[in-house]
Amino acid sequence: GQNIDQPTEMTATEGAIVQINCTYQTSGFNGLFWYQQHAGEAPTFLSYNVLDGLEEKGRFSSFLSRSKGYSYLLLKELQMKDSASYLCAVRRKTGANNLFFGTGTRLTVIP
Amino acid sequence: DVKVTQSSRYLVKRTGEKVFLECVQDMDHENMFWYRQDPGLGLRLIYFSYDVKMKEKGDIPEGYSVSREKKERFSLILESASTNQTSMYLCASSFGARGGNQPQHFGDGTRLSIL
Repeated sequence: GQNIDQPTEMTATEGAIVQINCTYQTSGFNGLFWYQQHAGEAPTFLSYNVLDGLEEKGRFSSFLSRSKGYSYLLLKELQMKDSASYLCAVRRKTGANNLFFGTGTRLTVIP
Repeated sequence: DVKVTQSSRYLVKRTGEKVFLECVQDMDHENMFWYRQDPGLGLRLIYFSYDVKMKEKGDIPEGYSVSREKKERFSLILESASTNQTSMYLCASSFGARGGNQPQHFGDGTRLSIL
């Protein structure tokens, strides 16, 4: 089976850096995705990690440690528009790029 | 840009009705997915399809069925709607055979209320 743990809510200040953690247990790891979802909108793809290490994409970076079952999403130079839910998902080994999602972390950016 | 279109943003139906939710994608994706999203429970996979006329159960298929007669269209069917199926329903699609790093692209969702 699969299990993903993420903090339910976080608050951070505009211009700051925030780290959103995700720990997972899965039978057969095959990659980890991060999505961003603004309230009332569709989730949008942010990043993908399958090997250990840091992937950087502008203000957003994602880190993976497979041995620890741990990932984090790092958001730098926070902007008000970064207020959203951030979803961690692991790709299951079977089933057409099938993803198992965590419950998401709601980030609120304050001035 | 990938476009996944769901036929309705909001839908209200009555208990016992047969309900159809439609999803169309324009990127020739092999894989299509139906999720429901509920507060505190996150996105849960109902059914998915990796090819025309193929379907696989996800984590919560009970009370649902699906149809994929054409590559671009994936329909979710509530055979006899019940109040516990009130939820936000999200459709997604992705490339299949081109590698595991292909992200899923989501539609805007259908908020379904069963009265």
